Amino acid sequence: GAGVSQSPSNKVTEKGKDVELRCDPISGHTALYWYRQSLGQGLEFLIYFQGNSAPDKSGLPSDRFSAERTGGSVSTLTIQRTQQEDSAVYLCASSSGQPGANVLTFGAGSRLTVL
Amino acid sequence: DQQVKQNSPSLSVQEGRISILNCDYTNSMFDYFLWYKKYPAEGPTFLISISSIKDKNEDGRFTVFLNKSAKHLSLHIVPSQPGDSAVYFCAASGNTDKLIFGTGTRLQVFP
Repeated sequence: GAGVSQSPSNKVTEKGKDVELRCDPISGHTALYWYRQSLGQGLEFLIYFQGNSAPDKSGLPSDRFSAERTGGSVSTLTIQRTQQEDSAVYLCASSSGQPGANVLTFGAGSRLTVL
Repeated sequence: DQQVKQNSPSLSVQEGRISILNCDYTNSMFDYFLWYKKYPAEGPTFLISISSIKDKNEDGRFTVFLNKSAKHLSLHIVPSQPGDSAVYFCAASGNTDKLIFGTGTRLQVFP
């Protein structure tokens, strides 16, 4: 598609449940990122995929969080045993990965509310 | 450890005047800097960027200034318009493609 597509746009879940958030990057973009924005906070880096390289998982807040990118395209962010502090907007972005001129294009985000 | 800092959470400016948004960073390895703009319920959109080999980049009403020795950059919007009201994030990257974002500044442009 023309832009980065994320689903669902809104998700309300109960504490302890697992959730999956999906990201469809721009076709041909080799780099894919997940960020999250908690209420009143900035954009917190979570994980970054670049081509076939091992992902940079340094931003994942706990081992309840994981992400995969299948076939170098679609990515799924999974949060297991959700907690109330996981409530945030989860933003996916993709880029061409061009060094020194790396402009990320973001999706509209998936708003997660954990009750 | 906040490597990119936006110390002003909000800014209010009259229409037609200049808006100046500031950003400081701590990592001397950062060599590429960007500003993003975010409206409610939308993803951030790219506004303007600057590499460390330059100290100024201009695009229409938007100019970004970089002071490497002070590890400081600023975004100037002139003249400010009501449609500029949004949250502005600065971001930086170094020897990886990972962008580190600041906490954002909410700009309100009033008539």
